[in-house]
Amino acid sequence: LAKTTQPISMDSYEGQEVNITCSHNNIATNDYITWYQQFPSQGPRFIIQGYKTKVTNEVASLFIPADRKSSTLSLPRVSLSDTAVYYCLVGEYNAGNMLTFGGGTRLMVKP
Amino acid sequence: DSGVTQTPKHLITATGQRVTLRCSPRSGDLSVYWYQQSLDQGLQFLIQYYNGEERAKGNILERFSAQQFPDLHSELNLSSLELGDSALYFCASSADRTYGYTFGSGTRLTVV
Repeated sequence: LAKTTQPISMDSYEGQEVNITCSHNNIATNDYITWYQQFPSQGPRFIIQGYKTKVTNEVASLFIPADRKSSTLSLPRVSLSDTAVYYCLVGEYNAGNMLTFGGGTRLMVKP
Repeated sequence: DSGVTQTPKHLITATGQRVTLRCSPRSGDLSVYWYQQSLDQGLQFLIQYYNGEERAKGNILERFSAQQFPDLHSELNLSSLELGDSALYFCASSADRTYGYTFGSGTRLTVV
């Protein structure tokens, strides 16, 4: 399993764009990059997933450079409700494999 | 509603007791995963079942055990409970060729 490294915490203000970068130097060819969001006392929620280049959905964008050794989750115009822990996971999904969650990034959005 | 159902939502029990946590996966998902999250800690993987068979094991204590039944629901059994077992226990499920897990809302276990 590819090891991931992401900042422990980040602060932002409402309306700003937030970029959280995750390093995964030993990512394997078949690995996908997935981001989850977790609010206190709730289960993690899938945000976005990608393999390469850029992926965008209604919630976020995911930027993946050509070497795939890192990825950046971009949250546009955050609000107070985006305060949560964000986890970056790297793994192969085609067989329902177990995934390991790291420490995540605790994002605090201030008014 | 994520489609993954966990019961009970809250459980308070005494040290030394045994409890059973239940998880019903999302319809069609064959894999079930159990995670433990202590206060302000990360998610610790405990165990995975796939279509009734144990698939992977993490840092699960010998006092803990799990199983997945033919209808694909799963139970996590915690015995000889200690104060340190107090935590949120999450169940997640995934399909065969899926792009992520779906988590339940968790069971908060308090051991007093």
